[in-house]
Amino acid sequence: DSGVTQTPKHLITATGQRVTLRCSPRSGDLSVYWYQQSLDQGLQFLIQYYNGEERAKGNILERFSAQQFPDLHSELNLSSLELGDSALYFCASSVSSQPNTGELFFGEGSRLTVL
Amino acid sequence: GQSLEQPSEVTAVEGAIVQINCTYQTSGFYGLSWYQQHDGGAPTFLSYNALDGLEETGRFSSFLSRSDSYGYLLLQELQMKDSASYFCALLRGGGATNKLIFGTGTLLAVQP
Repeated sequence: DSGVTQTPKHLITATGQRVTLRCSPRSGDLSVYWYQQSLDQGLQFLIQYYNGEERAKGNILERFSAQQFPDLHSELNLSSLELGDSALYFCASSVSSQPNTGELFFGEGSRLTVL
Repeated sequence: GQSLEQPSEVTAVEGAIVQINCTYQTSGFYGLSWYQQHDGGAPTFLSYNALDGLEETGRFSSFLSRSDSYGYLLLQELQMKDSASYFCALLRGGGATNKLIFGTGTLLAVQP
Protein backbone atom coordinates (compact mmCIF):
# COMPACT_ATOMS: atom_id res chain seq x y z
CA ASP A 1 0.00 0.00 0.00
CA SER A 2 1.64 3.24 -1.21
CA GLY A 3 -0.56 5.49 0.92
CA VAL A 4 -2.01 7.19 -2.17
CA THR A 5 -5.77 6.77 -2.44
CA GLN A 6 -7.75 7.06 -5.65
CA THR A 7 -11.50 6.92 -6.18
CA PRO A 8 -13.44 5.58 -7.89
CA LYS A 9 -11.60 2.35 -8.77
CA HIS A 10 -13.85 1.71 -11.75
CA LEU A 11 -16.10 4.02 -13.73
CA ILE A 12 -18.25 3.32 -16.78
CA THR A 13 -19.84 6.19 -18.62
CA ALA A 14 -21.04 7.26 -22.05
CA THR A 15 -19.47 9.44 -24.70
CA GLY A 16 -20.03 13.13 -24.16
CA GLN A 17 -20.26 12.80 -20.40
CA ARG A 18 -18.08 14.35 -17.71
CA VAL A 19 -16.38 12.56 -14.83
CA THR A 20 -14.23 13.53 -11.86
CA LEU A 21 -11.44 11.37 -10.51
CA ARG A 22 -10.16 11.98 -7.02
CA CYS A 23 -6.76 11.46 -5.44
CA SER A 24 -5.48 11.80 -1.88
CA PRO A 25 -1.68 11.85 -1.70
CA ARG A 26 0.45 10.20 0.97
CA SER A 27 0.43 11.99 4.27
CA GLY A 28 3.01 14.78 4.08
CA ASP A 29 3.35 14.75 0.30
CA LEU A 30 2.74 18.10 -1.34
CA SER A 31 3.08 17.11 -5.01
CA VAL A 32 0.47 15.26 -7.02
CA TYR A 33 1.01 13.93 -10.52
CA TRP A 34 -1.61 12.56 -12.91
CA TYR A 35 -0.78 9.92 -15.51
CA GLN A 36 -2.89 8.22 -18.18
CA GLN A 37 -2.27 4.62 -19.22
CA SER A 38 -4.16 3.35 -22.23
CA LEU A 39 -4.39 -0.36 -22.99
CA ASP A 40 -0.93 -1.93 -23.24
CA GLN A 41 0.68 1.49 -23.26
CA GLY A 42 3.14 3.30 -21.09
CA LEU A 43 2.26 5.98 -18.60
CA GLN A 44 1.63 9.36 -20.19
CA PHE A 45 2.25 12.36 -17.94
CA LEU A 46 -0.73 14.70 -17.81
CA ILE A 47 -0.20 17.33 -15.13
CA GLN A 48 1.47 18.08 -11.80
CA TYR A 49 0.39 20.18 -8.83
CA TYR A 50 2.48 21.28 -5.88
CA ASN A 51 0.87 22.69 -2.77
CA GLY A 52 -2.17 23.84 -4.69
CA GLU A 53 -0.39 25.30 -7.69
CA GLU A 54 0.00 23.86 -11.16
CA ARG A 55 3.69 23.15 -11.77
CA ALA A 56 3.95 21.19 -15.00
CA LYS A 57 1.77 20.18 -17.90
CA GLY A 58 2.26 17.21 -20.17
CA ASN A 59 0.07 15.86 -22.93
CA ILE A 60 -3.17 16.89 -21.30
CA LEU A 61 -6.13 17.57 -23.56
CA GLU A 62 -8.05 20.82 -23.30
CA ARG A 63 -11.12 18.76 -22.35
CA PHE A 64 -9.27 17.68 -19.22
CA SER A 65 -8.53 19.84 -16.22
CA ALA A 66 -7.27 19.33 -12.70
CA GLN A 67 -6.88 21.11 -9.42
CA GLN A 68 -5.35 20.58 -6.00
CA PHE A 69 -7.27 21.71 -2.95
CA PRO A 70 -6.01 23.21 0.33
CA ASP A 71 -6.15 19.79 1.99
CA LEU A 72 -3.84 18.62 -0.84
CA HIS A 73 -6.24 16.18 -2.44
CA SER A 74 -6.51 16.53 -6.18
CA GLU A 75 -9.24 16.04 -8.75
CA LEU A 76 -8.93 15.31 -12.45
CA ASN A 77 -11.93 16.39 -14.49
CA LEU A 78 -12.54 14.76 -17.85
CA SER A 79 -15.28 16.26 -20.03
CA SER A 80 -16.87 15.61 -23.43
CA LEU A 81 -15.62 12.08 -23.09
CA GLU A 82 -14.65 10.09 -26.16
CA LEU A 83 -14.11 6.37 -26.64
CA GLY A 84 -10.36 6.97 -26.76
CA ASP A 85 -10.39 8.37 -23.25
CA SER A 86 -10.93 4.88 -21.90
CA ALA A 87 -7.82 4.21 -19.84
CA LEU A 88 -6.33 3.78 -16.42
CA TYR A 89 -5.73 7.09 -14.72
CA PHE A 90 -3.05 7.06 -12.06
CA CYS A 91 -2.25 9.59 -9.42
CA ALA A 92 1.18 9.70 -7.84
CA SER A 93 2.64 11.81 -5.07
CA SER A 94 5.97 12.95 -3.73
CA VAL A 95 7.12 15.20 -0.92
CA SER A 96 8.74 17.89 -2.99
CA SER A 97 7.99 19.61 -6.25
CA GLN A 98 11.25 18.31 -7.59
CA PRO A 99 11.68 14.64 -6.76
CA ASN A 100 15.36 13.96 -7.13
CA THR A 101 15.42 10.23 -6.59
CA GLY A 102 13.09 9.22 -9.40
CA GLU A 103 10.64 7.76 -6.90
CA LEU A 104 6.96 8.53 -7.05
CA PHE A 105 4.28 6.77 -5.01
CA PHE A 106 1.38 5.64 -7.17
CA GLY A 107 -2.22 4.95 -6.29
CA GLU A 108 -4.09 1.90 -7.55
CA GLY A 109 -5.62 3.90 -10.37
CA SER A 110 -9.10 4.66 -11.66
CA ARG A 111 -10.20 2.55 -14.60
CA LEU A 112 -12.42 4.60 -16.90
CA THR A 113 -14.48 2.93 -19.59
CA VAL A 114 -16.29 5.14 -22.08
CA LEU A 115 -19.04 3.38 -24.05
CA GLY B 1 12.43 15.51 -27.98
CA GLN B 2 12.37 12.50 -25.76
CA SER B 3 11.50 8.86 -26.24
CA LEU B 4 12.35 5.67 -24.42
CA GLU B 5 12.29 2.32 -26.16
CA GLN B 6 11.93 -1.06 -24.50
CA PRO B 7 11.26 -4.54 -25.87
CA SER B 8 7.53 -5.22 -25.69
CA GLU B 9 7.83 -8.73 -24.25
CA VAL B 10 10.46 -10.94 -22.65
CA THR B 11 10.08 -14.54 -21.55
CA ALA B 12 12.34 -16.39 -19.12
CA VAL B 13 12.24 -19.42 -16.86
CA GLU B 14 12.15 -19.55 -13.11
CA GLY B 15 15.58 -19.28 -11.53
CA ALA B 16 17.14 -17.68 -14.59
CA ILE B 17 18.55 -14.20 -15.15
CA VAL B 18 16.89 -11.71 -17.48
CA GLN B 19 17.93 -8.29 -18.73
CA ILE B 20 15.40 -5.67 -19.83
CA ASN B 21 16.91 -2.94 -21.97
CA CYS B 22 15.93 0.69 -22.28
CA THR B 23 17.29 3.02 -24.92
CA TYR B 24 16.48 6.69 -24.99
CA GLN B 25 16.82 9.84 -27.01
CA THR B 26 16.81 12.98 -24.98
CA SER B 27 18.69 16.21 -24.65
CA GLY B 28 19.22 15.88 -20.92
CA PHE B 29 17.99 14.22 -17.76
CA TYR B 30 18.87 13.72 -14.10
CA GLY B 31 18.58 9.96 -13.89
CA LEU B 32 16.86 6.75 -14.96
CA SER B 33 14.27 4.95 -12.84
CA TRP B 34 12.66 1.53 -13.09
CA TYR B 35 9.12 0.63 -12.06
CA GLN B 36 7.24 -2.65 -11.80
CA GLN B 37 3.53 -2.98 -12.53
CA HIS B 38 1.46 -6.11 -11.92
CA ASP B 39 -1.70 -6.56 -14.03
CA GLY B 40 -2.62 -2.88 -14.32
CA GLY B 41 -2.04 -2.22 -10.65
CA ALA B 42 -0.08 0.58 -9.07
CA PRO B 43 3.41 1.00 -10.53
CA THR B 44 5.99 0.52 -7.80
CA PHE B 45 9.48 1.96 -7.69
CA LEU B 46 12.39 -0.44 -8.08
CA SER B 47 15.56 1.57 -8.58
CA TYR B 48 17.13 4.84 -9.69
CA ASN B 49 20.47 5.52 -11.41
CA ALA B 50 21.67 9.09 -11.12
CA LEU B 51 25.18 8.16 -12.25
CA ASP B 52 26.60 5.76 -14.79
CA GLY B 53 27.18 2.26 -13.53
CA LEU B 54 25.43 -0.48 -11.69
CA GLU B 55 23.06 -0.13 -8.74
CA GLU B 56 22.17 -3.33 -6.89
CA THR B 57 19.11 -3.90 -4.75
CA GLY B 58 18.69 -7.51 -3.77
CA ARG B 59 17.85 -9.65 -6.80
CA PHE B 60 17.41 -6.56 -8.96
CA SER B 61 20.20 -4.44 -10.45
CA SER B 62 19.97 -1.44 -12.74
CA PHE B 63 22.60 -0.01 -15.04
CA LEU B 64 23.01 3.29 -16.83
CA SER B 65 25.40 4.43 -19.54
CA ARG B 66 24.83 8.03 -20.58
CA SER B 67 27.43 7.83 -23.36
CA ASP B 68 25.50 4.95 -24.94
CA SER B 69 22.02 6.40 -24.16
CA TYR B 70 21.18 3.05 -22.65
CA GLY B 71 20.16 1.41 -19.46
CA TYR B 72 18.96 -1.96 -18.29
CA LEU B 73 17.26 -3.74 -15.45
CA LEU B 74 18.72 -7.09 -14.46
CA LEU B 75 16.58 -9.57 -12.58
CA GLN B 76 18.31 -12.56 -11.03
CA GLU B 77 16.94 -15.79 -9.57
CA LEU B 78 13.66 -15.19 -11.30
CA GLN B 79 10.50 -16.06 -9.44
CA MET B 80 6.97 -16.51 -10.76
CA LYS B 81 5.93 -13.38 -8.90
CA ASP B 82 8.34 -11.36 -11.06
CA SER B 83 5.92 -11.76 -13.98
CA ALA B 84 4.86 -8.17 -14.53
CA SER B 85 5.40 -5.14 -16.73
CA TYR B 86 8.60 -3.17 -16.21
CA PHE B 87 8.98 0.49 -17.17
CA CYS B 88 12.05 2.63 -17.41
CA ALA B 89 11.54 6.35 -16.81
CA LEU B 90 13.71 9.41 -17.26
CA LEU B 91 13.74 12.05 -14.55
CA ARG B 92 13.75 15.34 -16.40
CA GLY B 93 13.86 18.88 -15.14
CA GLY B 94 12.19 21.93 -16.55
CA GLY B 95 10.98 25.10 -14.96
CA ALA B 96 9.93 24.69 -11.37
CA THR B 97 9.67 20.94 -11.33
CA ASN B 98 11.08 17.60 -12.28
CA LYS B 99 8.93 14.95 -13.88
CA LEU B 100 9.17 11.30 -14.86
CA ILE B 101 8.78 10.36 -18.51
CA PHE B 102 8.00 6.69 -18.91
CA GLY B 103 9.04 4.20 -21.54
CA THR B 104 6.75 1.89 -23.43
CA GLY B 105 7.08 -0.95 -20.95
CA THR B 106 8.23 -4.58 -21.15
CA LEU B 107 5.97 -7.47 -20.24
CA LEU B 108 8.02 -10.15 -18.50
CA ALA B 109 6.59 -13.65 -18.43
CA VAL B 110 8.34 -16.06 -16.06
CA GLN B 111 7.66 -19.70 -16.87
CA PRO B 112 8.13 -22.69 -14.57
